[in-house]
Amino acid sequence: DAGVTQSPTHLIKTRGQHVTLRCSPISGHKSVSWYQQVLGQGPQFIFQYYEKEERGRGNFPDRFSARQFPNYSSELNVNALLLGDSALYLCASSLSGDYGYTFGSGTRLTVV
Amino acid sequence: GQQVMQIPQYQHVQEGEDFTTYCNSSTTLSNIQWYKQRPGGHPVFLIQLVKSGEVKKQKRLTFQFGEAKKNSSLHITATQTTDVGTYFCAGARSMEYGNKLVFGAGTILRVKS
Repeated sequence: DAGVTQSPTHLIKTRGQHVTLRCSPISGHKSVSWYQQVLGQGPQFIFQYYEKEERGRGNFPDRFSARQFPNYSSELNVNALLLGDSALYLCASSLSGDYGYTFGSGTRLTVV
Repeated sequence: GQQVMQIPQYQHVQEGEDFTTYCNSSTTLSNIQWYKQRPGGHPVFLIQLVKSGEVKKQKRLTFQFGEAKKNSSLHITATQTTDVGTYFCAGARSMEYGNKLVFGAGTILRVKS
């Protein structure tokens, strides 16, 4: 059984550009969450989706948006990239969102 | 907003010594979760504690949840080189569906053989 898969694994973008990150949860998991991890810090909560609806949002600007598709996969979009958006973006899935999460390997985003 | 503090930031131990990391939340938690992240890797779920005063063991790892559900600890007995990594606690606050996790900054464990 495949784990949580994220694509791409690495990405380099220029300031002001837009980026889309993708996540496929474990089969049967309906809850997907997105986290940002800056080097040397713990992951910071961005969004949670459950059954294709946003169920929680962290303290991130409106440049960050996400959605969940009928097959429970998810996309994270970031507009008008800033240097400070450089981080590891982690997707995590859970059956219902109230037990331990399985994280993907992440997308390493570098903004130059 | 909710904050989760974790100490120490860093610990370097001799193989065979014990290790403990502590976690404190500014608010009462619905549950607390522990994750391990190897260098260059992603967080891997270790355990979830839900009940006040709960203690759980996984081989050499012992996890505790405080009576007030605001603090927790992870203790590793007789560390091994395979224990190397960053240990994160994550305090969970209930949302309408599922939990919002607030992670501590993590404790980096290095083990000298």
